[in-house]
Amino acid sequence: KAGVTQTPRYLIKTRGQQVTLSCSPISGHRSVSWYQQTPGQGLQFLFEYFSETQRNKGNFPGRFSGRQFSNSRSEMNVSTLELGDSALYLCASSPDSRTDTQYFGPGTRLTVL
Amino acid sequence: AQSVTQPDIHITVSEGASLELRCNYSYGATPYLFWYVQSPGQGLQLLLKYFSGDTLVQGIKGFEAEFKRSQSSFNLRKPSVHWSDAAEYFCAVGLTSGTYKYIFGTGTRLKVLA
Repeated sequence: KAGVTQTPRYLIKTRGQQVTLSCSPISGHRSVSWYQQTPGQGLQFLFEYFSETQRNKGNFPGRFSGRQFSNSRSEMNVSTLELGDSALYLCASSPDSRTDTQYFGPGTRLTVL
Repeated sequence: AQSVTQPDIHITVSEGASLELRCNYSYGATPYLFWYVQSPGQGLQLLLKYFSGDTLVQGIKGFEAEFKRSQSSFNLRKPSVHWSDAAEYFCAVGLTSGTYKYIFGTGTRLKVLA
């Protein structure tokens, strides 16, 4: 089975721009979660999508949004980028229930200049 | 409050030496416990997980972890470290309810000396 894929792998943007990141989960997985990883804050949960609905949301401003499509692929959007948004964005997929193991993609490295 | 503590931010060991990475958690219910490894610039790879049953869990790459309920610990061990094990290791607790699926520790960065 193919693993979780994320595109693009690297991205450079300037302050004020917006960005869209994409995540394709493992086939058959319906839950997709997004995390932001920075050296200072570690791994922080952004949100989780399940069957095209946002099931949970972490403590991030409304500039961070996401969606999930019927094939379980998910996108994350960040509007009005700030320097502090520079991070590794990780996507994780799992089959269904809360106790299922999450499998992570390689991440998208976003640099905001 | 739920939390995961990895007390060692950095650990340096010589190749061939044994390794133990510590993880302590605070969670009221029965925990689901995970260890992930992250190589530089990469995503997280699952090493092993504990859901129930035998408290000594075997994982990939020769790693094992032992769940000790009385100590609220889930320490990761490897008898002989290889240079390729240099990476960052994260312990996580899976939550059965609430907003967060996982709570991650802050990670332990392992350096291996040749």
